[in-house]
Order: sequence, then C-alpha cells, then structure tokens
Amino acid sequence: SYELTQPPSVSVSPGQTARITCSGDALPKQDTYWYQQKPGQAPVLVIYKDSGRPSGIPERFSGSSSGTRVTLTISGVQAEDEADYYCQAADSSGTYYVFGSGTKVTVL
Amino acid sequence: QVQLQESGPGLVKPSETLSLKCSISGDSLRGSYWSWVRQAPGRGLEWIGYLSSYGSSNFDVSVRSRATITGDTSKSQVSLTLSSVTAADTAVYYCARHADGYNFSPLDYWGQGILVTVAS
Repeated sequence: SYELTQPPSVSVSPGQTARITCSGDALPKQDTYWYQQKPGQAPVLVIYKDSGRPSGIPERFSGSSSGTRVTLTISGVQAEDEADYYCQAADSSGTYYVFGSGTKVTVL
Repeated sequence: QVQLQESGPGLVKPSETLSLKCSISGDSLRGSYWSWVRQAPGRGLEWIGYLSSYGSSNFDVSVRSRATITGDTSKSQVSLTLSSVTAADTAVYYCARHADGYNFSPLDYWGQGILVTVAS
C-alpha cells in the first residue's frame, strides 16, 4: 500500500524555523495537504494544495514542494505551534487517500 | 458555519458491527464529499473512506470488505458501519467534509470525534 513518510519528531526553539518533510512517490502528481492536531482535538487544515493557506491560519505557516518531497515550514515558531502534524495526499492512481505517519513538533 | 457531530455507541463487542452517525449542519449532504477518519490511541490518522455527493463511496483497502458509508439527506446524516470488529478497530472516529466538492480535496471541517472501544 502507498505510504507517505514523515520524520517522527522535530524540535525547535521559540522564534526559530521548523521544517517538516513528507515524502512519497506520487507527490509530484498529487496535491498535498497538511493538518495540525493538538492533544484531544480534531485535526485542523493548515496548508492545502502544497502551499495554500486557509483563512485564519497564521502567515508563519507555509508549504513548498520539490519532486517527491513536500515541506511544511513554520517560521518564528511559537509555543502554541507544539502539536502533531500530518501530511495527506492521494496515491498515484488517484484511488486512495493516505495520511503520513505524523510528526510531533516540540517547542523547546 | 459547518458543524459536524459524531454519535453512536462507545463500546462494541468483538465480532459485532460498529455503527456511527455524523450529523451535518450548515451544508448540504449532496453538496460535498464526506470522509470518515480514525485514530487509534497514541497512533496516527487513518483514512477509512468517503461518501461522494453523488451517493457513491470509496474505501481504504484495509477496511473495504467490512465498511459501508451511506447518507440520509432527510436527516442530513452520514453513517459509517464497520462489521466484524476487533480490538484493532478501537479508535477515535472522525467525520470530515471535503472542502472543494471532489474526492481528494482537503478536509476543512471535522467533527470532534467519538471514541469507540472494542471489548467484551
């Protein structure tokens, strides 16, 4: 089955930049979305179509893509950004939706 | 403002059928696609399947033989049934709306989730 690979964890100091990667063979063909999930809460969409930002999401959240890898960047990390982050995309055949394994962002 | 609310039993016995409902307000059932997503304790998100605005459905291969998703426009509800459950089906189950009305658009509104435990 298709998989999206993320690093298990990323640690960053307040004010610094966090970069979370998501790798998958189908990513050059498929739009990728990013979700933030805080403990006990439902996920929240933070990036759509690789780099779009929904209304209400702070500008410090941005996305980019290059080949089979997409990246979520959080610039000027704040304590409130500590959460799990998941990428999501369809597989290469456009049949199944897949979530990445998730990355825990810790603000030191 | 779109709001989603999951409901159903919090405890299901092994080998029985899990049945959940998602009540929708602020949108039309036939105006969007609707997905079910689950999250086992301490684990990541897992997409289960979706109901299209046309009434068709699609499922992840891991649950395809056991899952059904249907819609009731009169009640504005989307339902998930999962048969022959095991402890591995213990999870928080979320319903979510697809933002742009097609199958692989992002999930922009989510319910609060409901914990379902499979145990005897």
